[in-house]
Amino acid sequence: QKEVEQNSGPLSVPEGAIASLNCTYSDRGSQSFFWYRQYSGKSPELIMFIYSNGDKEDGRFTAQLNKASQYVSLLIRDSQPSDSATYLCAVKNNTDKLIFGTGTRLQVFP
Amino acid sequence: DVKVTQSSRYLVKRTGEKVFLECVQDMDHENMFWYRQDPGLGLRLIYFSYDVKMKEKGDIPEGYSVSREKKERFSLILESASTNQTSMYLCASHHGAANSPLHFGNGTRLTVT
Repeated sequence: QKEVEQNSGPLSVPEGAIASLNCTYSDRGSQSFFWYRQYSGKSPELIMFIYSNGDKEDGRFTAQLNKASQYVSLLIRDSQPSDSATYLCAVKNNTDKLIFGTGTRLQVFP
Repeated sequence: DVKVTQSSRYLVKRTGEKVFLECVQDMDHENMFWYRQDPGLGLRLIYFSYDVKMKEKGDIPEGYSVSREKKERFSLILESASTNQTSMYLCASHHGAANSPLHFGNGTRLTVT
């Protein structure tokens, strides 16, 4: 079992819809969870992080964390074509290393 | 704003050459990391460093070494480049606090021919 798992996609959603990206992790000791966006040929950029159970909202983005189910998700409301990218889930345990999933490719079509 | 600078955006090297990839960060971060990214395999950790002159192996250290002589600079060295080291190399840094995110450089796309 991979430490951090994501569906590779592509996930295709129409413009204006909600995109839902999911991530599961295997280490119950994981403490912090990060979502990065990566455009083709570019380096990852941080969207948001979450470390407490529940929801955290930032603009059109909402991160959701359920530690009991070892599950973290990212919702993108009012999806735009400019949101088309690969979204990387990353998990930090009690060390300072981040373990990355392989990413989900999101396509938002007009 | 945190700035992580990688010295080269694109590099082409020959098999057997010694290759240096340089990374500098300007935010006094304790922790620095080198990843490589390949299609279908995601980001894989090569080496990381918690402090000057300190290094730890990541998940795929074979064929690589690192140097951290100054806090702001973390170098990745390919002792004898091979074609299977053709990849995108990403340097990153962070403070070390539990919720401190990684900040990435722009990446170096290395091709070994």
